[in-house]
Amino acid sequence: DSGVTQTPKHLITATGQRVTLRCSPRSGDLSVYWYQQSLDQGLQFLIQYYNGEERAKGNILERFSAQQFPDLHSELNLSSLELGDSALYFCASSSRGTAPNYGYTFGSGTRLTVV
Amino acid sequence: SQQGEEDPQALSIQEGENATMNCSYKTSINNLQWYRQNSGRGLVHLILIRSNEREKHSGRLRVTLDTSKKSSSLLITASRAADTASYFCATDPEGGYRDDKIIFGKGTRLHILP
Repeated sequence: DSGVTQTPKHLITATGQRVTLRCSPRSGDLSVYWYQQSLDQGLQFLIQYYNGEERAKGNILERFSAQQFPDLHSELNLSSLELGDSALYFCASSSRGTAPNYGYTFGSGTRLTVV
Repeated sequence: SQQGEEDPQALSIQEGENATMNCSYKTSINNLQWYRQNSGRGLVHLILIRSNEREKHSGRLRVTLDTSKKSSSLLITASRAADTASYFCATDPEGGYRDDKIIFGKGTRLHILP
């Protein structure tokens, strides 16, 4: 157990639907990062939050949005889903900003399948 | 955009041999990190080397960093079957405090043969 909790582990949904992926960071970490991993694109950075505030945005589609709540958990919302959105979605956390950077701690991911 | 590129894309070696993977990147960095991913699982942080360091060891892992060539290598000595996984380098680009995302390469798939 890495300390970063992602739910659900698996999600199967139809095109056009909306889903919410949830992430609880490791205790004490204020930064949360979302990544998308697909076979042909590798690990793509989507978005970062630090203590509730958006810090950096990557290749995140307009159909996707995220937020970090006061208890530091984060949610990634994916809407109007397309077949190409099928991928592994990872959340990671770090203590960056409050302590020297020792690397990210990753959750075990959510496997999204759009049918 | 991809910052780091690992080489080779795939590597198969006999158990007990050493495995070397390389990573090249494009921009100046604060640090470079290596991660391991077992099939379909989350990434596990292996080692971080800062831009002012040239070499770092952790158990059977040895990482080097050459900032003049913008490259790094990961050496796994005396490989074991459990080392079979994908290995990713990730760079922390030099820049503003607010934007501290790390950028991953596409990884090297390492297969240890019995």
